[in-house]
Amino acid sequence: QQPVQSPQAVILREGEDAVINCSSSKALYSVHWYRQKHGEAPVFLMILLKGGEQKGHDKISASFNEKKQQSSLYLTASQLSYSGTYFCGTEGISGGSNYKLTFGKGTLLTVNP
Amino acid sequence: DAGVIQSPRHEVTEMGQEVTLRCKPISGHNSLFWYRQTMMRGLELLIYFNNNVPIDDSGMPEDRFSAKMPNASFSTLKIQPSEPRDSAVYFCASSPGSSREQYFGPGTRLTVT
Repeated sequence: QQPVQSPQAVILREGEDAVINCSSSKALYSVHWYRQKHGEAPVFLMILLKGGEQKGHDKISASFNEKKQQSSLYLTASQLSYSGTYFCGTEGISGGSNYKLTFGKGTLLTVNP
Repeated sequence: DAGVIQSPRHEVTEMGQEVTLRCKPISGHNSLFWYRQTMMRGLELLIYFNNNVPIDDSGMPEDRFSAKMPNASFSTLKIQPSEPRDSAVYFCASSPGSSREQYFGPGTRLTVT
């Protein structure tokens, strides 16, 4: 089952904050977040494992609520370089040794000066 | 490290022809993934290998697609015969396994006319 991302697109001005959500209908072992710029490959941002943890580096952080099977990506004080399409990839709970990811359709983030 | 290497970067072929895509994973990574990305279907996992062994090929669309990993540093994805609906960007990704994050190659843009 493909996870559902929201919103589909968001436009920000530099310095503004954004939240991208990822929701799954199945129990999850982990949630991955990737960013893809136009014409380039997806780039790994972070992974959250079941346990309800929150992670972050620089001004990008994420949370994972395993009971709700939801994850959110938080971008604060956005920079022009944050523009791109953000994908969440989910790994089912049977994935103790199964690295199979199912990706959402992506959220297009545009940061304007 | 050079990152994941894919070749060719672009491939244009006629319907019915055989297409072979190549991937060299990051040295030391023991998991390798083949993805296909289209506007309509997004990023889909086709097959993945762990320690050169195919683990899950449930995403392979049909018998026209096949993948091999003869050794830890090389994998191929073959389409025979190719069809226009196979046109997409094909990504190879590798993972160190223990930490689960995936590193994507630059992709091969395939156009079947």
